[in-house]
Amino acid sequence: EAGVTQFPSHSVIEKGQTVTLRCDPISGHDNLYWYRRVMGKEIKFLLHFVKESKQDESGMPNNRFLAERTGGTYSTLKVQPAELEDSGVYFCASSQARFGTEAFFGQGTRLTVV
Amino acid sequence: AQSVTQLDSQVPVFEEAPVELRCNYSSSVSVYLFWYVQYPNQGLQLLLKYLSGSTLVKGINGFEAEFNKSQTSFHLRKPSVHISDTAEYFCAAGDVGDDKIIFGKGTRLHILP
Repeated sequence: EAGVTQFPSHSVIEKGQTVTLRCDPISGHDNLYWYRRVMGKEIKFLLHFVKESKQDESGMPNNRFLAERTGGTYSTLKVQPAELEDSGVYFCASSQARFGTEAFFGQGTRLTVV
Repeated sequence: AQSVTQLDSQVPVFEEAPVELRCNYSSSVSVYLFWYVQYPNQGLQLLLKYLSGSTLVKGINGFEAEFNKSQTSFHLRKPSVHISDTAEYFCAAGDVGDDKIIFGKGTRLHILP
């Protein structure tokens, strides 16, 4: 069974450019989460999808970040325009059920904004 | 909302020695707790979790953790570490009824030969 897959693994972009990160969850997992780790700090929650609906987006930093999950399958996280402070590792996770069940994480996308 | 504290950013341990990685969470009526591990160049992998029941939880790779409600702690232990345990370890907590989990800052475990 394939795990959670994230594309790309690394991305280096200039300030002001746009970047789109993609996450393919484990097949059949309705719950999809995005997290971010800025260097040296904790992994922070960004948002949670249940199928195609945003269940909780309280962790999204600002309106430069847009997450979508069309059709309830893969998800994209777009940053437009990117700023230096957006650099970090973006993790995606998926789970079959909610409330304490195991979330399976992808390897992360390392985003560097220069 | 939960908060998680991992007091040690780095822990050096000699190979075959025991190790304890500390984790404290903010008090909550009902909480569930996790330890995740990130090996170099890999994603996060679940080591163990506590949802309810026995306070001593056994996980993969010989790790275990004990839920202590009075001290709001969930320390991770292993009786004898190996070079392959070199990784960063994250404690995480969530409130029952809330989907998101909150992570600590992580503890890097360095195994010394």
